[in-house]
This record gives sequence, C-alpha cells and structure tokens, in this order.
Amino acid sequence: NAGVTQTPKFRILKIGQSMTLQCAQDMNHNYMYWYRQDPGMGLKLIYYSVGAGITDKGEVPNGYNVSRSTTEDFPLRLELAAPSQTSVYFCASTGWAAPIYFGPGTRLTVT
Amino acid sequence: SQKIEQNSEALNIQEGKTATLTCNYTNYSPAYLQWYRQDPGRGPVFLLLIRENEKEKRKERLKVTFDTTLKQSLFHITASQPADSATYLCALHTADRGSTLGRLYFGRGTQLTVWP
Repeated sequence: NAGVTQTPKFRILKIGQSMTLQCAQDMNHNYMYWYRQDPGMGLKLIYYSVGAGITDKGEVPNGYNVSRSTTEDFPLRLELAAPSQTSVYFCASTGWAAPIYFGPGTRLTVT
Repeated sequence: SQKIEQNSEALNIQEGKTATLTCNYTNYSPAYLQWYRQDPGRGPVFLLLIRENEKEKRKERLKVTFDTTLKQSLFHITASQPADSATYLCALHTADRGSTLGRLYFGRGTQLTVWP
C-alpha cells in the first residue's frame, strides 16, 4: 500500500513553460485534492475531485487545470508557468469522515 | 467562502504545560473537523478527527473539542514535550450541498514551540 505518490519531487521551470504534476493513490479514495503551500503560509486549495470524471475549482485555480479519468490518478497541469507559481504542491486523498493522506510534495521553482 | 482562523500564529510554552490551540470557522457547516501536525518540509500528518455530533475526542496526550454553536474547535496537548514542536493545522470538510460539497479547507496553522 503506497498511499499517495507524487512525481516529480523537485522541478525548475522557466517562465512560460508547462508541466504536469502527477498524483496517484491506491486506497480507492473518492476525494482527491491539490494544494499549494507558500513559505510560512497555509495550504491553499487549487482543485479538487469528488470522484472519477468530477472536478471543481478551489480557492486559487487560475493557471492550473486538472482531470480525473480514473479513481487512482489526479494530475495537475500548469500552463504558461509564472514566478507566482513557485511553491510546494501537495496532493491529498481521503474517504468520507476519514483521515486525509498527503503525498510527499513537489517543490516547484519558476524562474 | 469558508474561512478558518487559527488564533495565534505562534505559541511558545514550557515543557510539561498544556498547549491549547484554537480553530474558528465561518459560513459553511462542517461535517467533521480534523487536526494535523506538519513538520518543516513535510506534508501534514493526521492526528484526530471529530464529528459534528461529538463534543470531545481523546488520543493519548491529545484532546479535541468541537462546539458547533461557537463554531470553534480547541486542540489540547497535555504534558507537552519539545518533540511536540511543530505547526498544527485544523481542517474541515464541508457538508453543505451544492458546489462546495466535499471541499476541504485548512487553517493557516499555529506554530508550537515547547522549550525545556
């Protein structure tokens, strides 16, 4: 049982480049989330999904896109990277009234 | 939108004392509320979950209370130790129907330092 896995662990992007952050969970959770955490700040919800084929915006969705074609996978797409997207990105999953499991995070720097 | 406030960005206490952290929320009705610990460079780790119909939950030295009238949860660490030093986050899962069902919000966190 690997839990929540994220790749890559680190990435440096140039302004205007695009990339996809991968997230997978093997716990058959319906709910999956993407958060960003800036230094010294709390977790901000980017996008979330309540099941395969269903996604919705969180608090800070601009500049990102997601898809949920399977229960296991929830990739986050960054289009036209900007310095403001420099952050640590966490993927998480949970069931209803259950603990939330976080991935190890992806440290992204946009220069 | 949902707003979660954790009073005190930082809390410093002496070893052996009880640390009390506060989480207040507005707007939506949470189905349940959770507390997490986050160490630097790591993702949050689950500590306790309390449902809307529960008043109190305990786990070893940890205690959580939940007052839906005050819209507040208190998190207590008794007999605190330097190893308890970390950032503690509260999180709530909305229960309201509509577009926000299933949203998961986190507070900004309280950084706890326990000194010997």
